[in-house]
Amino acid sequence: GESVGLHLPTLSVQEGDNSIINCAYSNSASDYFIWYKQESGKGPQFIIDIRSNMDKRQGQRVTVLLNKTVKHLSLQIAATQPGDSAVYFCAENVKGTYKYIFGTGTRLKVLA
Amino acid sequence: GAGVSQSPRYKVAKRGQDVALRCDPISGHVSLFWYQQALGQGPEFLTYFQNEAQLDKSGLPSDRFFAERPEGSVSTLKIQRTQQEDSAVYLCASSSQGGIGQPQHFGDGTRLSIL
Repeated sequence: GESVGLHLPTLSVQEGDNSIINCAYSNSASDYFIWYKQESGKGPQFIIDIRSNMDKRQGQRVTVLLNKTVKHLSLQIAATQPGDSAVYFCAENVKGTYKYIFGTGTRLKVLA
Repeated sequence: GAGVSQSPRYKVAKRGQDVALRCDPISGHVSLFWYQQALGQGPEFLTYFQNEAQLDKSGLPSDRFFAERPEGSVSTLKIQRTQQEDSAVYLCASSSQGGIGQPQHFGDGTRLSIL
């Protein structure tokens, strides 16, 4: 099938290592943020979200950090596994709108 | 099924033809979104429904694009007089409540190719 993100930035990590994926968001009025994982031929899959009144949120093996001062989001994946290989997108919602703005994406490759 | 279902999975049309893409959201979900995803890029917002009301259509690229959700469940995205630049994956997502601030559940999309 056709690949998602043929020319995206790529992060290659060794299996078992931690991964950090970064995202610069566009609008200082955004107040809700989501990380999605997208595998080839599939729709985006929700990973974790965070609201602007928080700077950190943890899930199972994942942590999202939000720095509103520099409009930066990061996704940390602990003990990266081969099944984590995919394209990762951040998305922001501007307060008062229904629109989500997606970032350009990062391809994560997990090396065995 | 338990997830968002989109049909057809693949659609090939000749330039100038009209197409209709269907989305079956998760049962009971209030919010429904349509996105367009070009190759190698992130999804781009097209339109948002809360039940049957289309509350935001600011992302529709032209008046050739039309979306409806007449009974507040199934939605159809229609593209009239298709052009080559309409080739993309069209994604539908739903969420359980109205408004924003909750995860969206995506379907696997319809891949549209205009010849």
